[in-house]
Amino acid sequence: DIQMTQSPSSLSASIGDRVTITCRASQSISNYLNWYQQKPGKAPKLLIYAASSLQSGVPSRFSGSGSGTDFTLTISSLQPEDFATYYCQQSYSTPLTFGQGTTVEVK
Amino acid sequence: QVQLQESGPGLVKPSQTLSLTCTVSGGSIGRRDSYYWSWLRQPAGKGLEWIGRIYASGSTNYNPSLKSRVTMSVDTSKNQFSLKLSSLTAADTAVYYCARAEYGSGSFGYWGQGTLVTVSS
Repeated sequence: DIQMTQSPSSLSASIGDRVTITCRASQSISNYLNWYQQKPGKAPKLLIYAASSLQSGVPSRFSGSGSGTDFTLTISSLQPEDFATYYCQQSYSTPLTFGQGTTVEVK
Repeated sequence: QVQLQESGPGLVKPSQTLSLTCTVSGGSIGRRDSYYWSWLRQPAGKGLEWIGRIYASGSTNYNPSLKSRVTMSVDTSKNQFSLKLSSLTAADTAVYYCARAEYGSGSFGYWGQGTLVTVSS
């Protein structure tokens, strides 16, 4: 199985901050990397697919980059609705696997 | 707009088999080669686990960690796909989601709201 490791596990930030979350794969996954946002009691929401493509309807302050084993999700200017847990997911091979999640909290 | 809705029992006894159904609306499940349909789960306070996927053709892939206990099926006439998970234990207690993935990117763009399944006597 491909292991996905996110860092940090949690972070505290303020409105307007630039936030970066890192995801590392245990082997190369090309650009088969997706990012999700999840709020309590809700299903995950797709933000970024194929490492850097913005899902339709997602604000442009979200961006993704990387290829191979190292990827990042960046929120350019944190908004109140962005406090949530973020997950990366590899779709290079089965079993599909997720990172353990990064919780973005209010500072 | 594609919508997915899980249905099934919220409480199941240990050693029994869980049966869940996902009903898809706003799009045909039988549109081949474009999407696949998955089940995922999330224990309270924990991360996401992929259970497996099924294509409209009926072809399946399961997570090896659950493979011996999982069966998925699809009914294109009803626009539904289903999950059976046998030999349940308390460790199977989780919110279960159905979701649709784009075949190319493997990203889950559409999710059901999730259904909580508790395994308890």
